[in-house]
Amino acid sequence: DSGVTQTPKHLITATGQRVTLRCSPRSGDLSVYWYQQSLDQGLQFLIQYYNGEERAKGNILERFSAQQFPDLHSELNLSSLELGDSALYFCASSVARGLEQFFGPGTRLTVL
Amino acid sequence: GNSVTQMEGPVTLSEEAFLTINCTYTATGYPSLFWYVQYPGEGLQLLLKATKADDKGSNKGFEATYRKETTSFHLEKGSVQVSDSAVYFCALKDAGGTSYGKLTFGQGTILTVHP
Repeated sequence: DSGVTQTPKHLITATGQRVTLRCSPRSGDLSVYWYQQSLDQGLQFLIQYYNGEERAKGNILERFSAQQFPDLHSELNLSSLELGDSALYFCASSVARGLEQFFGPGTRLTVL
Repeated sequence: GNSVTQMEGPVTLSEEAFLTINCTYTATGYPSLFWYVQYPGEGLQLLLKATKADDKGSNKGFEATYRKETTSFHLEKGSVQVSDSAVYFCALKDAGGTSYGKLTFGQGTILTVHP
C-alpha cells in the first residue's frame, strides 16, 4: 500500500458525460501528479500540482482540468467524454521536489 | 523532448533464468532514472532508481546501472521467479526546468515467468 488513495476504482459512463476522479496523497506529500495509461499512448503525464498551485502540464486535453484543494487532495475533471478517453488514470504524490513518486491504485474509466 | 525506449515485449522466461530488459533514453542534462513495476490490477511501485552516472540501483535482486555514455539503464536479475511476472516500466525525471517533477515513461515490458 503506497498510502495514495484514489476513488472510484472503476467508472463506467457514456460519451459526452463529465466525471470527477479523486486522489488523496500520502500524508505530508505536497505534490500531486496525474497520469493516463492507455493501450495506444502508454503512460503519459497529464498535470502536476504543488501545494495547491499548478506546476507543470503535459499532454492534457482542454476538456480535462484538475485542481488541488487546501487539504491537498486533488480532483481530475474529465468532460465531454469520448471513447478514446477510456483508460487507467493514476495519481501519484511526492514530498515537495522529492525524487520518488508514490502511485495510487488507479481509476479505470470506461466510456461507452 | 525527453523520451524513453524499452525493448519490445512480451518477455517469457522459465523460473531461475537470467533477465535483461533494455532501456535507453534521450534527455538533456542529467536526468534521474527509474524502474517501476506494475503487478496485475495494481498501481506502479518503484523498483529501483539512480540519480547520476555510474550509480547502480538495486532492489529485490534486480539491478540497473546508469550509463551516461550509452544513455542506457538496463534492468537485470540473475534468477527470476514466478512472482516477478509483471509489467516493467523504465522512466526518467528531468534534472530541472519547469517540468522538474514529471516522469517520462517507456512503453512497458510485459514479463511472464513460468515454473
